[in-house]
Formats: sequence, C-alpha cells, structure tokens
Amino acid sequence: NAGVTQTPKFRILKIGQSMTLQCAQDMNHNYMYWYRQDPGMGLKLIYYSVGAGITDKGEVPNGYNVSRSTTEDFPLRLELAAPSQTSVYFCASSGQKNEKLFFGSGTQLSVL
Amino acid sequence: AQSVTQLGSHVSVSEGALVLLRCNYSSSVPPYLFWYVQYPNQGLQLLLKYTSAATLVKGINGFEAEFKKSETSFHLTKPSAHMSDAAEYFCAVSESGSARQLTFGSGTQLTVLP
Repeated sequence: NAGVTQTPKFRILKIGQSMTLQCAQDMNHNYMYWYRQDPGMGLKLIYYSVGAGITDKGEVPNGYNVSRSTTEDFPLRLELAAPSQTSVYFCASSGQKNEKLFFGSGTQLSVL
Repeated sequence: AQSVTQLGSHVSVSEGALVLLRCNYSSSVPPYLFWYVQYPNQGLQLLLKYTSAATLVKGINGFEAEFKKSETSFHLTKPSAHMSDAAEYFCAVSESGSARQLTFGSGTQLTVLP
C-alpha cells in the first residue's frame, strides 16, 4: 500500500540550480497534481494532469515544468531555482476529478 | 470567485474537551466543501466532504462538520479531543467539485494539551 511516493524528502538548492521532484503513485489514478505550501498559507496548485501525455497549468505555474509520460509518474522540474521557490511541495492523485485526493508526504525545498 | 477563511491559525484544547475549528467560505454557486488533516511529516488526508446531500457531515476519527448556508460556514467539531488529534487542519472549497479547482484555507494548527 505505497500510495503516493515523493522523493526526495528534503533538498537544499543554490540559486540558479535545477532539480526534479519525483512523484509516483501505484493506484492507477488518472489525475495527478502538484501543490506548494508556503508558511501560513494554504496549498496552491502548480500543475495538474488528467492522464498520460496531458498536463495543464494551475494557479502558480511560473518557474516550473511537468511531464506525464506514464500513468504512474508525474515529475516536477525546477529549471532555475529562485528563493521564492522555497516551499513544501506536495504531489497528489485521484481516480476521478471529483474523488478525494491522496497526498504524498511532501518535499521540503530550500533555495539559498 | 471562491475563497476560504479559517479563523485562528492556532487552537489549543485540553484532552477530552470540545474541538471547534472555524471555516467560512465564499462562493458564487453552491459549493463543495472539504476538511483535510495533515499529521506531522505526512501528506494531507481527507477528513470529510460536503456535497449538498446533508448539512451535517460525519467524517473519520469522530469529526463532523455542519454546513450553514446563512452563515457561509463549515465549522469542524469533535466532542472530545484526543492527543492523536494534534495536527494541522485545512478547510477547502470547490465550486465545481473538481480537485483542480480546490481553494485551500491557510490552516489551523490544533494542539491537544494533557
């Protein structure tokens, strides 16, 4: 019962570096999402996907890219890390668009 | 446009006391409302969901929430707090019911005192 798995759990980046946050789910869910959670704020949607090969922007997509080559995986790429991207990142999935979300345990990212 | 306001970023209760976490929303259409809980070092989990079937919604772990249209509120309650309830709680609203249109509140950190 792995559910949604995110790696790494923690990462420190220097300004301008790039990295990929990994997300995988084993529930055969079509819908996958990336959120960021800033201190004292609610979650904000970065990108989402409704199936393999289909992605779309959420509320705060600038500075990020995603891909969805398989149903299981939904990686989030930061190309040029900036201090404003310091946040906790959560990946989530759902079977249908109106079903409940299953969340990963998060990645805490600091950009210094 | 939809929005959510959670009153009180930190709430402390004694073990066995009533838990009341406040959530007010704004929505131009009848909303779908959610409460999620985040335990330390874990992702969010759905506690309960309102979809207009009944105004009083029962969730997991003894929590419930009542939808009050006149007050635009969806407060979360539990009659008797347990130490294991210590977590952060998020209220969320979606006008369409779709997860990609969820708006989350800023969260309430619940501390349970022995």
